[in-house]
Amino acid sequence: GQQVMQIPQYQHVQEGEDFTTYCNSSTTLSNIQWYKQRPGGHPVFLIQLVKSGEVKKQKRLTFQFGEAKKNSSLHITATQTTDVGTYFCAGGDAGGTSYGKLTFGQGTILTVHP
Amino acid sequence: DTGVSQNPRHKITKRGQNVTFRCDPISEHNRLYWYRQTLGQGPEFLTYFQNEAQLEKSRLLSDRFSAERPKGSFSTLEIQRTEQGDSAMYLCASSQGPSSPLHFGNGTRLTVT
Repeated sequence: GQQVMQIPQYQHVQEGEDFTTYCNSSTTLSNIQWYKQRPGGHPVFLIQLVKSGEVKKQKRLTFQFGEAKKNSSLHITATQTTDVGTYFCAGGDAGGTSYGKLTFGQGTILTVHP
Repeated sequence: DTGVSQNPRHKITKRGQNVTFRCDPISEHNRLYWYRQTLGQGPEFLTYFQNEAQLEKSRLLSDRFSAERPKGSFSTLEIQRTEQGDSAMYLCASSQGPSSPLHFGNGTRLTVT
């Protein structure tokens, strides 16, 4: 079955530093989605990428989808304490009856020191 | 839009007992998903529905787990003969279609003693 791996597992940064998390799938994806989960909360949707090589920006966040649609990254510029949380990628299954089913990575826990 | 609602928020049960959780999705969403999450891990897929049809059930899921969505609206997840390893947060999510973003509920935290 489809597997989605995410690295690093943890990232500690000083406020103002940049942060990147990487996501790799064992199979080609129909799309990739990114979610943020605050401590004690549930995952909240951030963005969806569909096209090969797609890049999207949301203020200080930049999301990329690889040319082969098997990997993705999230980059945060100049982190703030409000960025604290766990960031998950979720890959959409590209085939058959499982089309669209999302498989989540294990997440990257981001802590930001003021 | 009242969001995805899950009940109960917390459930403590003794090993061997049966438990049932309920999920009410966003009303116009035809896809409903169940995930399980343990500390430090990402949500693990359990099963999902398109309207009332159950499209897939995780092969990792034992026969003790069953889910229904009888009228294509709310869904229930039942765990029979609970084990300590079933302790986790059970998350429900809904979406408008196959590749649409998921809207999660607040989850039901199960503790099996």
